[in-house]
This record gives sequence, structure tokens and C-alpha cells, in this order.
Amino acid sequence: DQQVKQNSPSLSVQEGRISILNCDYTNSMFDYFLWYKKYPAEGPTFLISISSIKDKNEDGRFTVFLNKSAKHLSLHIVPSQPGDSAVYFCAGGTSYGKLTFGQGTILTVHP
Amino acid sequence: KAGVTQTPRYLIKTRGQQVTLSCSPISGHRSVSWYQQTPGQGLQFLFEYFSETQRNKGNFPGRFSGRQFSNSRSEMNVSTLELGDSALYLCASSLSDRAGAQETQYFGPGTRLLVL
Repeated sequence: DQQVKQNSPSLSVQEGRISILNCDYTNSMFDYFLWYKKYPAEGPTFLISISSIKDKNEDGRFTVFLNKSAKHLSLHIVPSQPGDSAVYFCAGGTSYGKLTFGQGTILTVHP
Repeated sequence: KAGVTQTPRYLIKTRGQQVTLSCSPISGHRSVSWYQQTPGQGLQFLFEYFSETQRNKGNFPGRFSGRQFSNSRSEMNVSTLELGDSALYLCASSLSDRAGAQETQYFGPGTRLLVL
């Protein structure tokens, strides 16, 4: 049962343009959502989170949007930079500490 | 503050053997979670420990076990290794200083296990 899905295995964008990474979920019990970035041979690095009671959270170039009625969230990166090239994971969390991750989306930003 | 550390970083074992992986959380963090990452499967939750007690468990067989010590350090053990256990094992720590908190988990670099 895949409770969190990232349906796009990969995304390619030009430097300076917007990157939009999408995530769908089925579990209505998630209290919050997080995005992580992962480089090869490293552990995931926390990027940004959003509470289920909000619809937007912004941190610098990163903005996460949450549409609860559609059970959909997205991460916008503006402007995209080559250093943003990595695997991006979204995750749903509940207040008792377990995170459920999507399969990841490989983002490639071309100079 | 030092980040989450995991040892060893790489490990090669053969089928049937057992393995123990170690994780030291960020200082002050009381919760440690373990995840398995395999190609195409994302990160699969194994279990979470808090105050030396297993608080959450994922859908893995009993060959996968763990424990947490009084200093919050955690170990994960896999017995009777199978080829399919080859993966990156990640541990993550979080503060977990109050019930119901929306916790950010911080990950270590992982242990890459290869089972031959």
C-alpha cells in the first residue's frame, strides 16, 4: 500500500527556471509533510516542511504547497540551480514519529 | 552540533550471516528511526526507538531487530542475511521532546550493505 506517491521518476529543467516536484498521498492521518533532498552516497537532507493545517510554506527558493482536498503537495524551486540536481523525496508524518516516504524524483538542472 | 553518524559506512556479508549496524544521534535527540533504501522502493520504515523502547515498527520480518541504549545510541541487527537485504540503511534522529510534536528527522550518511 503506497501511501505516498511521487509519480514522476525524473524531471529535467534549465538553470534559472522553475522546478515543480509533485507528491500525492492517500493517508488522511498525516499531520505534516516534509521534503528531503538526497545526493548519492549521502543521507537525505531536510529541506522544508508544512503542517497539514497550512496550504503554503516558503523558505528562500523553496516553497511547498499543500492541497488537502486533492491530497496533493508540491515543491517549487525558483530559480533552479545546477546544485539542486539530486533525488527529492516527499514524506508524510504523524505525531507519533513515523515518516512514510515516496519513491523519489530525480531532478536534473542543466546549466 | 555534530550530525547523525553511522558505522560502518560499507559492509559486505554473505548469505546466512548476521550484521549489526550502529547509529549515534544528534546530541540531545531522543528518538532514532531506521529506514531501508533500495532502488525503486524509496525509503522503507523499519522501526523507531525512543527512550530505549521500540515505539513504532514497519512491515519487516523478525530478522530485523534493533535496540537503543541509555545514551540514545541505537543498533540495528539483521540475522540470516538474504540477497534482498542488500540496501542502504539509514538512521535518523529527532528531538521528540514532547508528545504530538511534528518532528523533523535528521539523517545520517547511511550504511551500504552488500550481501553476496
